[in-house]
Amino acid sequence: GAVVSQHPSWVICKSGTSVKIECRSLDFQATTMFWYRQFPKQSLMLMATSNEGSKATYEQGVEKDKFLINHASLTLSTLTVTSAHPEDSSFYICSASRLAGVPYEQYFGPGTRLTVT
Amino acid sequence: SQQGEEDPQALSIQEGENATMNCSYKTSINNLQWYRQNSGRGLVHLILIRSNEREKHSGRLRVTLDTSKKSSSLLITASRAADTASYFCASNTGGFKTIFGAGTRLFVKA
Repeated sequence: GAVVSQHPSWVICKSGTSVKIECRSLDFQATTMFWYRQFPKQSLMLMATSNEGSKATYEQGVEKDKFLINHASLTLSTLTVTSAHPEDSSFYICSASRLAGVPYEQYFGPGTRLTVT
Repeated sequence: SQQGEEDPQALSIQEGENATMNCSYKTSINNLQWYRQNSGRGLVHLILIRSNEREKHSGRLRVTLDTSKKSSSLLITASRAADTASYFCASNTGGFKTIFGAGTRLFVKA
């Protein structure tokens, strides 16, 4: 149990376009979902935390108008990178915590590699 | 920086040897977790240790926690080539927010 999927697994887009990444908890209801970005050979940096039905909480330095997060249900959160630029190219990973189970344990998706040309 | 520190940044060992990775964090924690990441993949949860625990075992993994020094270590015994990956510690300070360390890249030579 506790499987998280992401779609797409990789995407290439042109500069100036928007890209939507989906994060789904497949077999559990997620209280909270998290979005991270990871540059090559670096650690994960938390971008934002989202709870179902409420606005996401963004970390300092993360532009909320650029990285739109929607958490419409207990099993789905989306991250939209708006007006993407080459510097937005990165590995984006989501995670989810479930309503029941080990407190604060996060289950991670497989990641989405975004390349902006 | 939000991140904790991990050392070494990279570690190369022979199959069968033990691998030790260390992690330090900055603020008081509720728990600390270790994750593994294969290249270009998502994270796999390995083990969680609570702030009132000092040591925890899971198979070939042994994690220690020293809250007075704000540090933790992950020991992988009898390493295998398949253990080659990056390993991250992640500290939880309360609620759901988790701060990741910089990671250690482990390479196990067959």
